[in-house]
This record gives sequence, structure tokens and C-alpha cells, in this order.
Amino acid sequence: QQPVQSPQAVILREGEDAVINCSSSKALYSVHWYRQKHGEAPVFLMILLKGGEQKGHEKISASFNEKKQQSSLYLTASQLSYSGTYFCGPVGGTSYGKLTFGQGTILTVHP
Amino acid sequence: EAGVAQSPRYKIIEKRQSVAFWCNPISGHATLYWYQQILGQGPKLLIQFQNNGVVDDSQLPKDRFSAERLKGVDSTLKIQPAKLEDSAVYLCASSLEGQRGYSSYNSPLHFGNGTRLTVT
Repeated sequence: QQPVQSPQAVILREGEDAVINCSSSKALYSVHWYRQKHGEAPVFLMILLKGGEQKGHEKISASFNEKKQQSSLYLTASQLSYSGTYFCGPVGGTSYGKLTFGQGTILTVHP
Repeated sequence: EAGVAQSPRYKIIEKRQSVAFWCNPISGHATLYWYQQILGQGPKLLIQFQNNGVVDDSQLPKDRFSAERLKGVDSTLKIQPAKLEDSAVYLCASSLEGQRGYSSYNSPLHFGNGTRLTVT
């Protein structure tokens, strides 16, 4: 079953903060986050693992609440380059579970 | 490292015609995925290969879609015959999933630039 992301869209000015939420109906083992710019391929942002470990390479943070089956992506002091569609991809059940992408959150950052 | 290569970049065909997409994953990546992304939606997995074998093809419309991964490297996705609703971007991705110590939960996906298919 597809995870639910909220909000569906958000508009910011440079320097403002945003939070994108991802909820799943099933028990999660990890959550992937990707960003896709218009006309481009999705690009990996980070993975949050059960137990709290976070793997990523950008200055964007996230949290993973295993009990609530939710993850949140925090974009602070947003830059123009943050614009794009953000997808979460929870991995359910076990460490060999399937990754299913959410419907996406469109983030637009204006000067 | 070289990224995931896909071709063609764009394709326009008429309904009932056939089309094929090609993907070359990142060297050393055991797992290859084909996703369909309809405008405004998240990527939907069509088929997942681990080395030569199919791991998941539960969402592949097998009456018209087929895919193969020869020698565990390159892959081809074919649609025959195409329908109007097949208009989408077809994304290929690869990951280390299946390699020692890696599974779906800790292996980032690396995507190619995709093929935008328009069926008229």
C-alpha cells in the first residue's frame, strides 16, 4: 500500500523552513527520501534506519518514528536549489521488505 | 563513477505499436529496477532483477510488458502493443541490494534520466 505524504505542495521564500511528512499503514524497517527536479531523475537524499541511524549526504535532516510508522523531512533555511518534488520510500516489514514510493510533495522556493 | 545509462531519452509512438527501452546500471550493482512514473505521481515499480533473476514483477502488465536482464548487467524493457495509458516516464535504477551486507532497507537507489514515452 502506498504511503501518504503531506502536504501535497508547499511554497516558501528563501530562508524559510519546511517539514514534509510521510505516513505508512505498515510496520517500517527504514525510510528512503529522494528529490526529483522537473524533467530529471529522482536523486537520493537519505535513508533513516530502524534504531535511529541516518545515512545521507545533504544538509537536510529527517526523523523516523517507528512506532507511529512515520518519517518527517526537515528543510531549514531553504535555498532555491531545494525546489523539486520530494518522495518518501518506506521499506516495510523486514530488512528485505519492499520499497514503495509516496505520491510526492512539491516544494517551490522563491527568491 | 558512471551513473545509470538509459536510452532513448524520448520516444513517441502510436497505440498498438511496440517500443523498447534500454538500461545499463552502475557497474557492480546487483539489483536493477524498472519504474513507471505517470505525470504527477510517484515512481511505481514494474520489475526488479537481482543479478539475472526476477525478484518482483507483481505490478508488470505481463500481457503487454516484458523485460530481461542479460548476463546480469544490461536490461531491456519492452511494450507490445502500447496503449494510450502507457504514456509515462520509464525510469531505470540500480542499487547494491543483494550484495553482501546490503538489502532494500539500506541500499540507495541510483536512477537513470529516464525515457519519456508518449503514445498517441
